[in-house]
Amino acid sequence: AQSVTQLDSQVPVFEEAPVELRCNYSSSVSVYLFWYVQYPNQGLQLLLKYLSGSTLVKGINGFEAEFNKSQTSFHLRKPSVHISDTAEYFCAVSDPSRGTYKYIFGTGTRLKVLA
Amino acid sequence: ETGVTQTPRHLVMGMTNKKSLKCEQHLGHNAMYWYKQSAKKPLELMFVYNFKEQTENNSVPSRFSPECPNSSHLFLHLHTLQPEDSALYLCASSQDFRGGNQPQHFGDGTRLSIL
Repeated sequence: AQSVTQLDSQVPVFEEAPVELRCNYSSSVSVYLFWYVQYPNQGLQLLLKYLSGSTLVKGINGFEAEFNKSQTSFHLRKPSVHISDTAEYFCAVSDPSRGTYKYIFGTGTRLKVLA
Repeated sequence: ETGVTQTPRHLVMGMTNKKSLKCEQHLGHNAMYWYKQSAKKPLELMFVYNFKEQTENNSVPSRFSPECPNSSHLFLHLHTLQPEDSALYLCASSQDFRGGNQPQHFGDGTRLSIL
């Protein structure tokens, strides 16, 4: 079964520094990949998605992610973070070969941006 | 009003009470989902409806009863809940439940506390 691993439960980083949030998934078959952000007391908001094509995907709020099939990774990056980026970030994968709508979510990474 | 709206935002109830959570989407989507979000755990998919038909019940206890009267509305009826049911309940919708490439749009959730 497909699984998603977000190894870092918390990532502290200073404002204007770069950040990378790691996501690995278990299967090397074709997948769709998503990153969501959850601000306090809110639901999940889509940051970006990879369906096919270019392996570098750009999203909202200056975030981007790179799909690496050989390493089964989809790490999220931002070159310069702001205080307002403090939130929890979730990676999700779905497996189109199963014709399924199901997302498998990681456990989330809490990004704390420090002044 | 756009997006996915959930009411109430907060709910405190005793174990013997009966209450309902409501979700409404204004996106013209055909699929709707209930998720449970507990601390330190991945999001748990509970139920999926597609064109008002339930397509998934992820081994959810019968004290949770979903209802989908139309493609825009989704309810979660609660009765005789347990303390471990305290969590954030998220509703989501997507254009189509097939294929898995359609992003899911989330509401802000209902924070449920069981006394």
